[in-house]
Amino acid sequence: DAKTTQPTSMDCAEGRAANLPCNHSTISGNEYVYWYRQIHSQGPQYIIHGLKNNETNEMASLIITEDRKSSTLILPHATLRDTAVYYCIVRVKAAGNKLTFGGGTRVLVKP
Amino acid sequence: EPEVTQTPSHQVTQMGQEVILRCVPISNHLYFYWYRQILGQKVEFLVSFYNNEISEKSEIFDDQFSVERPDGSNFTLKIRSTKLEDSAMYFCASSELRERGYEQYFGPGTRLTVT
Repeated sequence: DAKTTQPTSMDCAEGRAANLPCNHSTISGNEYVYWYRQIHSQGPQYIIHGLKNNETNEMASLIITEDRKSSTLILPHATLRDTAVYYCIVRVKAAGNKLTFGGGTRVLVKP
Repeated sequence: EPEVTQTPSHQVTQMGQEVILRCVPISNHLYFYWYRQILGQKVEFLVSFYNNEISEKSEIFDDQFSVERPDGSNFTLKIRSTKLEDSAMYFCASSELRERGYEQYFGPGTRLTVT
């Protein structure tokens, strides 16, 4: 699986959009970008995934650059409960494929 | 919404003892996984399991570890002779077989403390 690079930490104001960047310059054509988050030692939680088109669901939006070498997760209106470690993971979309977690970005949403 | 459950939430054991961590995956899921997270470190993959067989295992998953699906609902991780360095949060996860995103759903974890 391709390696990803994320900032170690970032702060965000409550109610504002949080934009979380991820670099994956060695991504292969058949690899998807997945985002998970982990709230205070709870189990990781799936957020969203995409291949090359922008994706949106009830939790977030995912913007992938045209060359697919980087992406941004957008939390449109951050709340205090969005404080967590966010992981960007690149993997081939296949049944049973493991997730390889890096260090992630520690996001602190402040009032 | 269906969720993965794990028991116990916290297990304390003495070095050298056997422990069994239990998980109930989401009912229609067919792939099962164990991950662990040592305090302050990354989440690490241990093993994946499908059709009553191990699909993949990491180098962490040595002969001291085993997994089993003893019945139609439970999925267990056994550590035969625990070491101090086995102290960690252990997360179970499951995923569907049919194509969508193959996203994995995680349980709340079992905190294992080896003394």
